[in-house]
Amino acid sequence: EDQVTQSPEALRLQEGESSSLNCSYTVSGLRGLFWYRQDPGKGPEFLFTLYSAGEEKEKERLKATLTKKESFLHITAPKPEDSATYLCAVLMKTSYDKVIFGPGTSLSVIP
Amino acid sequence: DAGITQSPRHKVTETGTPVTLRCHQTENHRYMYWYRQDPGHGLRLIHYSYGVKDTDKGEVSDGYSVSRSKTEDFLLTLESATSSQTSVYFCAITGTGTEAFFGQGTRLTVV
Repeated sequence: EDQVTQSPEALRLQEGESSSLNCSYTVSGLRGLFWYRQDPGKGPEFLFTLYSAGEEKEKERLKATLTKKESFLHITAPKPEDSATYLCAVLMKTSYDKVIFGPGTSLSVIP
Repeated sequence: DAGITQSPRHKVTETGTPVTLRCHQTENHRYMYWYRQDPGHGLRLIHYSYGVKDTDKGEVSDGYSVSRSKTEDFLLTLESATSSQTSVYFCAITGTGTEAFFGQGTRLTVV
């Protein structure tokens, strides 16, 4: 069964305390992997797309990496405004752009 | 921001009544999607559309129907609302890339 999992479910960091979020997937064929940020009461906001193992993307304090079985979202020296739920999603090799989302990691950054 | 507007933003309805949610885009994109988001689950695809009058089912389509009579509008109808359809519903579009852009969501409560 195609599946995307994320860990931890929730993460609480002190401001400036770097950490990583994990996204693991078991799918029959991967075309790409997305990371989104979601603030309470809002729709997901696109962050990155990764297409192949070894690829890395960066944006401000965020860096996403991809291996054959998982992806990491590294957060360096986070600030309170980085608090949000981070979703990963896998784009599959199907006749249409089928995407499977993980359940998300809720990140809280404490001043 | 992608030009996606969902209406209504909040709705409370009674069990057994029909409900229609609207998604309107100003981007002229071909693909549109309806997702639902529930605690403990990732975003799950209900239906999608790949053109005017061209729609197909997603993974959780039972109890839902859709219509797309114009490029810019994608309607989601709950034929006879049930409590299990209480959820937050998101509309999304994909443009020239594979990443999706989401609306602000509709919070639906079925009592």
